Amino acid sequence: GIQVEQSPPDLILQEGANSTLRCNFSDSVNNLQWFHQNPWGQLINLFYIPSGTKQNGRLSATTVATERYSLLYISSSQTTDSGVYFCAVGGWEYGNKLVFGAGTILRVKS
Amino acid sequence: SAVISQKPSRDICQRGTSLTIQCQVDSQVTMMFWYRQQPGQSLTLIATANQGSEATYESGFVIDKFPISRPNLTFSTLTVSNMSPEDSSIYLCSVVGDRSFGEQYFGPGTRLTVT
Repeated sequence: GIQVEQSPPDLILQEGANSTLRCNFSDSVNNLQWFHQNPWGQLINLFYIPSGTKQNGRLSATTVATERYSLLYISSSQTTDSGVYFCAVGGWEYGNKLVFGAGTILRVKS
Repeated sequence: SAVISQKPSRDICQRGTSLTIQCQVDSQVTMMFWYRQQPGQSLTLIATANQGSEATYESGFVIDKFPISRPNLTFSTLTVSNMSPEDSSIYLCSVVGDRSFGEQYFGPGTRLTVT
């Protein structure tokens, strides 16, 4: 099956700092999503980005499908950005199932 | 996007008992999934809930332990049977909206503790 690796596993930032989270995957996919899991366990959809670049406020993401990686950029981090960030991949040929990476735990300190 | 609700939001259960978790969607969707997130871990797919037929289970999950119903295109249930402390997890349902081009949306989750 598809392997998904996220890095770094843990990240501590001072408020206002920028960060880059990486997701590598082992096979061709046509679905890649980034999620933020808040302290209450809710998974928030950040980006649906099987290829290309998208931006939403302080967050942006880029997926280079041919090289099998995706990057999530967080700029001017805030304490509310704390939580776990998951990358998940899948696609039609996998029955739309998502395979999740292990996640990056982000802590933003004030 | 789809609006998804789950009941209960959390529960504490005795070992050996069963709990049924409900997942309700505000629109008709073809594809629904159930995931498990064990403490401190990532999400793992349990099964695909198919409307009008039996669920399709992933390796390591069996119907006797996790029976699933999907009576219509907006509703599904997952039962965790004969629970043990190892079943303590967050259980989440998800859907692929029929107009979302494959993007998957998750319910708020059910936090289960087995004592």
